[in-house]
Amino acid sequence: AQSVAQPEDQVNVAEGNPLTVKCTYSVSGNPYLFWYVQYPNRGLQFLLKYITGDNLVKGSYGFEAEFNKSQTSFHLKKPSALVSDSALYFCAVRDIGDFNKFYFGSGTKLNVKP
Amino acid sequence: DVKVTQSSRYLVKRTGEKVFLECVQDMDHENMFWYRQDPGLGLRLIYFSYDVKMKEKGDIPEGYSVSREKKERFSLILESASTNQTSMYLCASTRGVRTLTSYEQYFGPGTRLTVT
Repeated sequence: AQSVAQPEDQVNVAEGNPLTVKCTYSVSGNPYLFWYVQYPNRGLQFLLKYITGDNLVKGSYGFEAEFNKSQTSFHLKKPSALVSDSALYFCAVRDIGDFNKFYFGSGTKLNVKP
Repeated sequence: DVKVTQSSRYLVKRTGEKVFLECVQDMDHENMFWYRQDPGLGLRLIYFSYDVKMKEKGDIPEGYSVSREKKERFSLILESASTNQTSMYLCASTRGVRTLTSYEQYFGPGTRLTVT
């Protein structure tokens, strides 16, 4: 069965430090992978995606993610965190076998302290 | 700019009422989804639709029904609202065909429903 895991419920970083939010997945075949961000009482906003090609993908607001096939991971990164990055982050995978199916991780709350 | 809108941001209803949540997308997407989001449980799929008048149950369809009479509009119906349906409801849409331009879902702003 397809699944997505975000092993950390919460990540705390200081402003200006690099941040990493972890995601691992389990799918059959090649995955389509996504990161979304959610601010309080808002819907999810798309950040970036990996479909094919370069393993390092860049997205909105200075975020990037690295697809690692051998480790089945797709960690979200940013070189220098901002207080305004504090939000809830979701990793998701789209099932290539059943294109209508999406699987979401449980979410990671990112706290960036001044 | 792509857009998914939901009819209400906040809604308060009484137990037993019939509740309609509306979602409209302007991207000509084939697929539309309804999720509910609860703390600690992440996003759970209620229903999705892959075409007009077509629907499939998601993980938690009990107590809900849906309607898709037009491609751009997907409605979630709570036939008889109960307090355990108090939640954040999120609508999303995406292309149903394999185009390189768009694989991701686009989400509406959410409706926070409180059933008292």
